[in-house]
Amino acid sequence: QVQLQQWGAGLLKPSETLSLTCAVYGGSFSGYHWNWIRQSPGQGLEWIGEINHSGSTNYKPSLKSRISISEDTSKNQFSLKLTSVTAADTAVYYCALARDGFDIWGQGTMVTVSS
Amino acid sequence: DIVMTQSPDSLAVSLGERATINCKSSQSVLYSSNNKNYLAWYQQQLGQPPKLLISWASTRESGVPDRFSGSGSGTDFTLTVSSLQAEDVAIYYCQQYYTTPYTFGQGTKLEIK
Repeated sequence: QVQLQQWGAGLLKPSETLSLTCAVYGGSFSGYHWNWIRQSPGQGLEWIGEINHSGSTNYKPSLKSRISISEDTSKNQFSLKLTSVTAADTAVYYCALARDGFDIWGQGTMVTVSS
Repeated sequence: DIVMTQSPDSLAVSLGERATINCKSSQSVLYSSNNKNYLAWYQQQLGQPPKLLISWASTRESGVPDRFSGSGSGTDFTLTVSSLQAEDVAIYYCQQYYTTPYTFGQGTKLEIK
């Protein structure tokens, strides 16, 4: 059974770079789409980007200038970087595997942007 | 972007009664070449990541109780809980995976009356 475990800094100052990593356990890294989704406090879910089995990426257009998703297939990991963060980027960030919908989720990382 | 709109925003149902949540997409999420609707339903309980309940609009995930069912096609979809149990209290989201950016509905909060 595939499991995702994620980690990264939880407190950032405005203009810093958010950096999160998600490790894949118990399954193949290849052949699937690996996603990042966030949820602002008390709000709904927002897809922010994905990397697929060929290393190609898709990003939410409004974040495209600030976001980068990469993979390290040797470690079965993928990562999110979001530059120039503001308070609006405060959210719980989830990594997720997409097969039929987002069927496996990481535990979530609360990221707070505050001066 | 495809806009997903759920109704109602919140719903209170008595234990054992039926709960129905609707989801409408701003454009069709039915892919004609395979006749599949790229529509999923999730349940999110407090403090937890969302859990996939239903994919392809009506395919229940393994381990999901059969009181949960999904229906609809094209732009109009429904999630039904046939007999509400206490553990079903949660927020429910629909989501389209027809095209990026993948988008979610705003959520429906399901409570016990």
